[in-house]
Amino acid sequence: GESVGLHLPTLSVQEGDNSIINCAYSNSASDYFIWYKQESGKGPQFIIDIRSNMDKRQGQRVTVLLNKTVKHLSLQIAATQPGDSAVYFCAGLNYGGSQGNLIFGKGTKLSVKP
Amino acid sequence: DGGITQSPKYLFRKEGQNVTLSCEQNLNHDAMYWYRQDPGQGLRLIYYSQIVNDFQKGDIAEGYSVSREKKESFPLTVTSAQKNPTAFYLCASSIGRGGTDTQYFGPGTRLTVL
Repeated sequence: GESVGLHLPTLSVQEGDNSIINCAYSNSASDYFIWYKQESGKGPQFIIDIRSNMDKRQGQRVTVLLNKTVKHLSLQIAATQPGDSAVYFCAGLNYGGSQGNLIFGKGTKLSVKP
Repeated sequence: DGGITQSPKYLFRKEGQNVTLSCEQNLNHDAMYWYRQDPGQGLRLIYYSQIVNDFQKGDIAEGYSVSREKKESFPLTVTSAQKNPTAFYLCASSIGRGGTDTQYFGPGTRLTVL
């Protein structure tokens, strides 16, 4: 069936270290992926996206890796800062589905220790 | 949050009342969406609209209704038929019509049933 899920509900890292947040997906949600950051009480904020014809995409301090063989993607945050503390969601889209069929994982809460 | 606004930020409802949540966008996006978020959960799609005067049910449409009379507005009504309406409601929009599928979110409305 359709599913996108995160591996760990919480992640704690030291300020300055790199963070890696993982996500697995099923065949149905395999065309396009988005990572969102959600701070407490706010709406999700777009971070970075990647299409299935790519293996890697880099943004400012963030990198998303897509491994289609094992149906896994990860978000890497370099030099994690206190402001990175939030819940991170991966979401997947199947172009063969409906326009609204963006499937969200449950989120990983990232805590940054000073 | 970009050009998407939601109001009010907090809303309290007595049992048996209908309430309407506002969502407005000035991004000239064709597609708009309503999600519900419960604590520790991912986002679940309530309704979406790809074009004015048209909308489709999402995964949890029961007890909710929407309208799309204008491109920039997509109000959500939580009816008395929704048995467990207390949640964080998020509105999103995307370019739609074959463009990028990235959805951009508003700041959310927290609804509490008294």
